Amino acid sequence: NAGVTQTPKFRILKIGQSMTLQCAQDMNHNYMYWYRQDPGMGLKLIYYSVGAGITDKGEVPNGYNVSRSTTEDFPLRLELAAPSQTSVYFCASIPTGGTEAFFGQGTRLTVV
Amino acid sequence: DAKTTQPTSMDCAEGRAANLPCNHSTISGNEYVYWYRQIHSQGPQYIIHGLKNNETNEMASLIITEDRKSSTLILPHATLRDTAVYYCIVRPPSGTYKYIFGTGTRLKVLA
Repeated sequence: NAGVTQTPKFRILKIGQSMTLQCAQDMNHNYMYWYRQDPGMGLKLIYYSVGAGITDKGEVPNGYNVSRSTTEDFPLRLELAAPSQTSVYFCASIPTGGTEAFFGQGTRLTVV
Repeated sequence: DAKTTQPTSMDCAEGRAANLPCNHSTISGNEYVYWYRQIHSQGPQYIIHGLKNNETNEMASLIITEDRKSSTLILPHATLRDTAVYYCIVRPPSGTYKYIFGTGTRLKVLA
């Protein structure tokens, strides 16, 4: 199993550009999450999903969108990039009835 | 969701036990306490979890007070590789599994 795979690892965006951060897991986990982590800070929950077709907002959803058409994939969309979205983004998954959350290695995004 | 409070930072001498406290005074009866750590800029890593009994695994021990309003993560013999940010999280046993991380405790193990 590859676990949770995030792509790209690094990206520089210009203000106003759009992009999609990819997250894929091959463990058949129902629960998936997107977090952002600003320098020196903790993780903030952006969106999460309890299964294909079901998503919900977390603590800081503004400026982001998600979709969950399959169990494996949970992409995060930035429509109009702003400097405040400069951060490291982590994706995570948990199996139904499971305990441990599995995290990807992160995507480091800089908006200039 | 229950909130957690942790000290911002702690130091520990290498080879000594590191005791990391967490306050979760609003925890509900069916909510679990989870601990994760984040080494440098990597994704967080699961350490241990518990409901009301003390738990131990190969990485750490978790002590939960009888009233469940606080807990302590114990790393019995801290090494330099244990330098990390440690997060305490409260999570219900079922439902949305909405994981809310706090700011965590930055543990520095000193040689």
